[in-house]
Amino acid sequence: AQTVTQSQPEMSVQEAETVTLSCTYDTSESDYYLFWYKQPPSRQMILVIRQEAYKQQNATENRFSVNFQKAAKSFSLKISDSQLGDAAMYFCAYRSLTQGGSEKLVFGKGMKLTVNP
Amino acid sequence: SAVISQKPSRDICQRGTSLTIQCQVDSQVTMMFWYRQQPGQSLTLIATANQGSEATYESGFVIDKFPISRPNLTFSTLTVSNMSPEDSSIYLCSVQTGTWGETQYFGPGTRLLVL
Repeated sequence: AQTVTQSQPEMSVQEAETVTLSCTYDTSESDYYLFWYKQPPSRQMILVIRQEAYKQQNATENRFSVNFQKAAKSFSLKISDSQLGDAAMYFCAYRSLTQGGSEKLVFGKGMKLTVNP
Repeated sequence: SAVISQKPSRDICQRGTSLTIQCQVDSQVTMMFWYRQQPGQSLTLIATANQGSEATYESGFVIDKFPISRPNLTFSTLTVSNMSPEDSSIYLCSVQTGTWGETQYFGPGTRLLVL
C-alpha cells in the first residue's frame, strides 16, 4: 500500500520570503499523480499543484513550484513571496495511475504553515 | 475545473439520528468520492460512487452506516446513519476532472457535530 509522509507538522515563514514544505512517499508503482492541497481555516480543500510522475519537468503554478525527485520519492512544495493568505494546512497526496490501481487519494498528515507579517 | 456544492454546510445532530449530505457538481463526472476528516486529522476515503452501480467502500466503512446514492452524473448523497459522537467530522465530496481524470477537486465540506 502507498504511504505519504509529511515529517514537519508545523512551519513558519516571514511574509515575502520563501518556504519549502517537504513530502515523501512510498510506492512500488511507476505511474501516479502527486498533489499539494491547501486547507485554510474555512476547511475548503484547495488544489495547489499537480505533478504527473512520468513528467520530468517540475510543475509550476505562479508562486508555487515543486521539486519532484522520483528516484528519491520526494515531492516538496516551494512557496515564493509568501503572503498572509498562504497561511493554512498543507496536505501532500498520492494517486495511482496504474491500470487496476485505486483511484483514491492517499494523504499525508498535513503541515500547518504560519505566515508572519 | 469543477464547481462542487454541498448541503448542509454544517449541522448539529443528536446521537442515534441520521443525516443525509448532498453533493452537486456543475458538470457530469464519472466518479464521485466521499472523504471524512476527523478533528485534527487528515482525509480518509469512505467510498467511491459511480453512477449506475453500487458504491465501493474502503476498509472500515460499511454500507449500513454510510449508504450512498448516485442517481445521475452530477449528484450524490451520503447518509451518516445511527450517529454517535465519533462521527463528528467534516465530510467532503470530491470529483475527478480533465481528459484523464487527472485533476481532483473537493466540495466545501459538511461539518457535522454529534452530541
